[in-house]
Amino acid sequence: DGGITQSPKYLFRKEGQNVTLSCEQNLNHDAMYWYRQDPGQGLRLIYYSQIVNDFQKGDIAEGYSVSREKKESFPLTVTSAQKNPTAFYLCASSINQGSTDSNQPQHFGDGTRLSIL
Amino acid sequence: AQSVAQPEDQVNVAEGNPLTVKCTYSVSGNPYLFWYVQYPNRGLQFLLKYITGDNLVKGSYGFEAEFNKSQTSFHLKKPSALVSDSALYFCAVRDTGYSTLTFGKGTMLLVSP
Repeated sequence: DGGITQSPKYLFRKEGQNVTLSCEQNLNHDAMYWYRQDPGQGLRLIYYSQIVNDFQKGDIAEGYSVSREKKESFPLTVTSAQKNPTAFYLCASSINQGSTDSNQPQHFGDGTRLSIL
Repeated sequence: AQSVAQPEDQVNVAEGNPLTVKCTYSVSGNPYLFWYVQYPNRGLQFLLKYITGDNLVKGSYGFEAEFNKSQTSFHLKKPSALVSDSALYFCAVRDTGYSTLTFGKGTMLLVSP
């Protein structure tokens, strides 16, 4: 079955530690996204990538970093500079979102819940 | 700039009754509008979208939404609610010329037996 796999499902971070969240898709989608979900705040865009080896900052990129070395993979690193990392992180992908005329929906993984030890 | 508002944090409805979850938007051009549903500790699932054409859009699980340009609204509806419809619902918008979605804060739908 095609889909998006996020791992791990639960992750704990110690003070001063960087952690990396994995996102893999086998949908052959061009675009991938990282969102942060906090209670009552909806989804906020962290980073997105429309093509391999290219990515753009979203609304809340500070304290996060990404890479897009392969079409299938878009890992997110939560750095020690992110002072309030506790949240539910969602990865999504869509086909051909690079075109501003694209109207395809995004497909989501089942998220990673990050907490502070 | 593009924005979307979901004015209700929670909607309560009895099973078998019709339900409406409200969404209003603001864009500079023409909107692409989406509804998603989220169950606890899961990702979002796509329900339906409006791109152009017929103002009444039908989607998954018996849901539909009505696009109203004059009121800049895209309310989600279902004629007869099920207990299993209880979940968090998100409206999202993308303006022409933009490459990302803006999501609303979500509305929790609770359907009582």
